[in-house]
Amino acid sequence: KAGVTQTPRYLIKTRGQQVTLSCSPISGHRSVSWYQQTPGQGLQFLFEYFSETQRNKGNFPGRFSGRQFSNSRSEMNVSTLELGDSALYLCASRTGGEETQYFGPGTRLLVL
Amino acid sequence: AQKVTQAQTEISVVEKEDVTLDCVYETRDTTYYLFWYKQPPSGELVFLIRRNSFDEQNEISGRYSWNFQKSTSSFNFTITASQVVDSAVYFCALSEIRDAGNMLTFGGGTRLMVKP
Repeated sequence: KAGVTQTPRYLIKTRGQQVTLSCSPISGHRSVSWYQQTPGQGLQFLFEYFSETQRNKGNFPGRFSGRQFSNSRSEMNVSTLELGDSALYLCASRTGGEETQYFGPGTRLLVL
Repeated sequence: AQKVTQAQTEISVVEKEDVTLDCVYETRDTTYYLFWYKQPPSGELVFLIRRNSFDEQNEISGRYSWNFQKSTSSFNFTITASQVVDSAVYFCALSEIRDAGNMLTFGGGTRLMVKP
């Protein structure tokens, strides 16, 4: 079974721009979660989607948003990028009935 | 609020040494899950083990073993006869079980360097 895939793997943007990251979960997994990893703050939960509904949201500003499609694929969007948004963005999926989250390779975002 | 502490930020050992990574957690819930993940330089978090709060049995998987002690809120991870390929950052994480879904709270990670 293929793992979680994320695109793009690397991205360079400038301040003020917006960016959209994509995540395809493991086949059959209906829950997708997003995490941000930075050297200063570590790994922090952004949000979780299940069956196209946001179930949980972390403590991030409204510039961070996401959505999930009927095929369980998910996108996250960051508007008005700031330098501090430079990070590794990790997506994870799980079946919904099981607690273990399986992670993708991440998207490295650099904001200049 | 839940919290996970990995006091060791960096550990360096020589190949074949045993090494233990410490994890201490805080939660007010009686039902929760604990995890260990490995993050190699490529960045992907690789799942290693999951334990639920009702199962305090220690587990061994090859060179890896885990010691869960609810009385001290600890979930430590031991690598026996370490190898260079074990070099990575290891994260301990806690998940509280909620009807509205779940989210992982991670510790700060322990960078393990195994030298030949």
